[in-house]
Amino acid sequence: GAGVSQSPRYKVAKRGQDVALRCDPISGHVSLFWYQQALGQGPEFLTYFQNEAQLDKSGLPSDRFFAERPEGSVSTLKIQRTQQEDSAVYLCASSLPRTGQFQETQYFGPGTRLLVL
Amino acid sequence: GNSVTQMEGPVTLSEEAFLTINCTYTATGYPSLFWYVQYPGEGLQLLLKATKADDKGSNKGFEATYRKETTSFHLEKGSVQVSDSAVYFCALSDPETSNQFYFGTGTSLTVIP
Repeated sequence: GAGVSQSPRYKVAKRGQDVALRCDPISGHVSLFWYQQALGQGPEFLTYFQNEAQLDKSGLPSDRFFAERPEGSVSTLKIQRTQQEDSAVYLCASSLPRTGQFQETQYFGPGTRLLVL
Repeated sequence: GNSVTQMEGPVTLSEEAFLTINCTYTATGYPSLFWYVQYPGEGLQLLLKATKADDKGSNKGFEATYRKETTSFHLEKGSVQVSDSAVYFCALSDPETSNQFYFGTGTSLTVIP
């Protein structure tokens, strides 16, 4: 079956441009997560959706970052007025809702590598 | 709060050598623990997980035991192969406090023939 897909795989933007990154989660997965991975670092949480509801956006670094999932499936992460410090790999992950007290495994897409010049 | 501290790399081993990558965690509740692997040019893949104390996760010859007393989840493999060359990430999830995963900084492993 298809895994999590992301597009584009690579994006080069000039400083000040807006970018939109797309994530297609695994079919049927209710939960969707966005992470930012800087070079040589582990992924850091940005935001979380359950269906179309954005339940946690505590990791978004500034109000230039905006995420949506209007129909509870595909999600878009938008970065406005990009800055050089936004250069990173943006990862999307999906999972089924947790059962009981255990967290379900998150399945990751290949990521979008963003370079802001 | 929740955090993961992982052994820094890079690690270089000869084929068939024994591998240990240390991981310790801090959590306020009863987290689940994970090891993810990232092969060159690919996305993160789940390698193994453990959801409660004393559980052992295992996959592809890798093992890790959830040790609550030492707050550790060290990754081990008895005999590494060249194909194991990748970056390994330890992660925790504490559903009582958050849905997000907390990742370590990753350990790069290179296995030479």
